[in-house]
Amino acid sequence: QKEVEQDPGPLSVPEGAIVSLNCTYSNSAFQYFMWYRQYSRKGPELLMYTYSSGNKEDGRFTAQVDKSSKYISLFIRDSQPSDSATYLCAITESLSNQAGTALIFGKGTTLSVSS
Amino acid sequence: NAGVTQTPKFRVLKTGQSMTLLCAQDMNHEYMYWYRQDPGMGLRLIHYSVGEGTTAKGEVPDGYNVSRLKKQNFLLGLESAAPSQTSVYFCASSYPQGAPNQPQHFGDGTRLSIL
Repeated sequence: QKEVEQDPGPLSVPEGAIVSLNCTYSNSAFQYFMWYRQYSRKGPELLMYTYSSGNKEDGRFTAQVDKSSKYISLFIRDSQPSDSATYLCAITESLSNQAGTALIFGKGTTLSVSS
Repeated sequence: NAGVTQTPKFRVLKTGQSMTLLCAQDMNHEYMYWYRQDPGMGLRLIHYSVGEGTTAKGEVPDGYNVSRLKKQNFLLGLESAAPSQTSVYFCASSYPQGAPNQPQHFGDGTRLSIL
């Protein structure tokens, strides 16, 4: 079982809809949880991060973590066509030889917002 | 304001050919990474480097070699390309991943096709 599971979608919604993107993870030792956004033919870019259970808001975006259920979510309010992209959840894991941490990515969910 | 630059952007190879992908970053980051992204598989770490002159294996290192002779450059080599290495390759860099507010910065990828 991959350590981070994410439904790849695709997910299609009309403009203005509330979008919910979700991931589950298996290792309770993971501490930091991130969401990256990837536009077509571009590299991923960090959208939000959180390290504790609860919610974190940034404009129309809310990241939510439930460590008891090992469940992370990204909510997008008032979705816009410009939000059309692939959203990847990511968690940190320790590199070998105590060299720091690396990211484990979910497969990504492709979102399309139609006007 | 270049960030992470990957060269080339596209390449088609024949089975058995060799090539080198170049990644250059101008942010003075210590850590650099090579990922591959395949449909349905997400981003998987191939190799990484925690500083000039160091390299280490990631999740899927077989068939690849890397070198970090200069801090700003990270090279990914395919000695004998195989069709299974057809993928989009992403390079990323970061400060030591001690905290998630030091995100990985990604290039825009190299699309490699092995015939």
